[in-house]
Amino acid sequence: GENVEQHPSTLSVQEGDSAVIKCTYSDSASNYFPWYKQELGKGPQLIIDIRSNVGEKKDQRIAVTLNKTAKHFSLHITETQPEDSAVYFCAAHMEYGNKLVFGAGTILRVKS
Amino acid sequence: ETGVTQTPRHLVMGMTNKKSLKCEQHLGHNAMYWYKQSAKKPLELMFVYSLEERVENNSVPSRFSPECPNSSHLFLHLHTLQPEDSALYLCASSQDALAGEQYFGPGTRLTVT
Repeated sequence: GENVEQHPSTLSVQEGDSAVIKCTYSDSASNYFPWYKQELGKGPQLIIDIRSNVGEKKDQRIAVTLNKTAKHFSLHITETQPEDSAVYFCAAHMEYGNKLVFGAGTILRVKS
Repeated sequence: ETGVTQTPRHLVMGMTNKKSLKCEQHLGHNAMYWYKQSAKKPLELMFVYSLEERVENNSVPSRFSPECPNSSHLFLHLHTLQPEDSALYLCASSQDALAGEQYFGPGTRLTVT
């Protein structure tokens, strides 16, 4: 069935360094790819998204890239700060079943 | 209040209890969702409601019973649950069903003893 693979499962970086999280998806007809940040005790919060008609989108220190041919997309966080520490989830909107399918999450730790 | 709210935030129940989770969205959205979040697993979609009609049921056991009395409120009624049902239950809403941005509530941490 449709699925989204997310790597790595945990990521530790030094404050100020960059962090990259990668996801691959199975449904080539997928057209919408959001990223969520979940802090302890809170629900996932949408931080950035990208649609299939663009290859890259940037919002201050975060950016997302999409390679439709390879069916993968990535989240890039530059100049990481301790408050970036959280669990990050990618998702893909699957045309098959018409639903969002989520990756398993990446625990990001930013060490100060 | 703004966004998506959920009550209670924490719930401990025995296997023979009946309880309900409540979700309310203040965003004027037409679609609402229930997800189950277990440790080290992807979010699992349970139910989807669009304009108060259920449009998706992802093979969820009948011990979970959703109710959507209007487009702003969503309930999840729980009955004779199992310990493996312990998880974080998340409610979300979006402007339209199964497309576009979904906004999540803080979740209800459920423990079944």
